[in-house]
Amino acid sequence: QSALTQPPSASGSPGQAVTISCTGTSSDVGGYNYVSWYQHRPGKVPKLMIYEVSKRPSGVPDRFSGSKSGNTAFLTVSGLQAEDEADYYCTSYAGNNIRVFGGGTKLTVL
Amino acid sequence: QVQLVQSGAEVKKPGASVKVSCKAAGYIFRSYGISWMRQAPGQGLEWMGWISVFNGNTKYPQKFQGRVTMTADTSTSTAYMELRSLRSDDTAVYLCARDDPYGGQGDFDYWGQGTLVTVSS
Repeated sequence: QSALTQPPSASGSPGQAVTISCTGTSSDVGGYNYVSWYQHRPGKVPKLMIYEVSKRPSGVPDRFSGSKSGNTAFLTVSGLQAEDEADYYCTSYAGNNIRVFGGGTKLTVL
Repeated sequence: QVQLVQSGAEVKKPGASVKVSCKAAGYIFRSYGISWMRQAPGQGLEWMGWISVFNGNTKYPQKFQGRVTMTADTSTSTAYMELRSLRSDDTAVYLCARDDPYGGQGDFDYWGQGTLVTVSS
């Protein structure tokens, strides 16, 4: 039940696109299509941005997209805006009712 | 609207226990589950376990097995997380979130505001 691996930081200029990776194993990310992404701004509660690898909840801008290849999931933020600056966490189902989080990625909008 | 309201901050001594509550409103409590997470200072989110309010099933990761108990009271729409044998590295903000009732394949779509638990002698 090891944590998923995310880069500690990512950055981009307004209007650019940035992609954050989330690497696990065949026992979690690679084995199930139950990867979610959460945005966590300071002083706020985490917000669900992507679920089931690539689905967007109602109200989440279509600038946010998710995908997966093998044991790695990706969150792409297109058309970066200042309000996108936050910590982003991935989580995956790991079988047997277990969840595992990534370590988080701090996204900075330059 | 869906709301999860958690109990207030706690200060505990090492070796003590803490019980954090999470009161739900705006949805049918019994139809979902609740997961608990925590975030230690400067650290990321950590999943502590899940309870199905639907059938009472629980699941805890190995790290917390034997030290955490999650319960739910359907009469008050309140979930509880008790952590025992507290250590200084248990100092964290503890968060509840609405989850799948069947175990593991849902998402945390609504979150409580968080409860700061400080463990200090």
